[in-house]
Amino acid sequence: DTAVSQTPKYLVTQMGNDKSIKCEQNLGHDTMYWYKQDSKKFLKIMFSYNNKELIINETVPNRFSPKSPDKAHLNLHINSLELGDSAVYFCASSQDGTRGPLSTDTQYFGPGTRLTVL
Amino acid sequence: AQSVTQLDSHVSVSEGTPVLLRCNYSSSYSPSLFWYVQHPNKGLQLLLKYTSAATLVKGINGFEAEFKKSETSFHLTKPSAHMSDAAEYFCVVSDGWGSSSASKIIFGSGTRLSIRP
Repeated sequence: DTAVSQTPKYLVTQMGNDKSIKCEQNLGHDTMYWYKQDSKKFLKIMFSYNNKELIINETVPNRFSPKSPDKAHLNLHINSLELGDSAVYFCASSQDGTRGPLSTDTQYFGPGTRLTVL
Repeated sequence: AQSVTQLDSHVSVSEGTPVLLRCNYSSSYSPSLFWYVQHPNKGLQLLLKYTSAATLVKGINGFEAEFKKSETSFHLTKPSAHMSDAAEYFCVVSDGWGSSSASKIIFGSGTRLSIRP
């Protein structure tokens, strides 16, 4: 069984379009994350949700809007796609303490979504 | 503020020889430190983590890392490299979670490990 799954695996689209990436985890974790990995493999956290509540919102353009309908899902919607948005986007999840994520938590990553904006 | 530096962007070793991937960190608190591995076109997988227990941490696939506070280092080692170890390795520092402030988890820039036959 896949622990953290993402769809689609590949996404090729034109500049200016709007697209969504879906993420689901079946681990029963409380916190989910979105990361962006650029062409140089540099990984940066974008958002984190704990029990459907936004807890981390890094300096990300507001064209990016995460949505968490329940704690098992965290979707990423991107408006008006730009060339610089091309990257691999990883979803992850972690099991937390009673008051939110713990620094000791292991994160479980999805397989990634490779977004190419033409 | 916290940061993490992976000193080598690329390491190449021969199969059967030791592996050393270097990581230095800075943190205002007592950090947790992780090593994750990413095989080509795959997501990241935890190798091992340090969470203020034993300073020598053993992970999967024969890897281990030693937390050295005096040197602010958390280098990853393996006695004998295998072809299947070829991948990208990320050192991660995490501290002060549990609040709504800005990100408390920082990834290093990664080290690509190549294994020569």
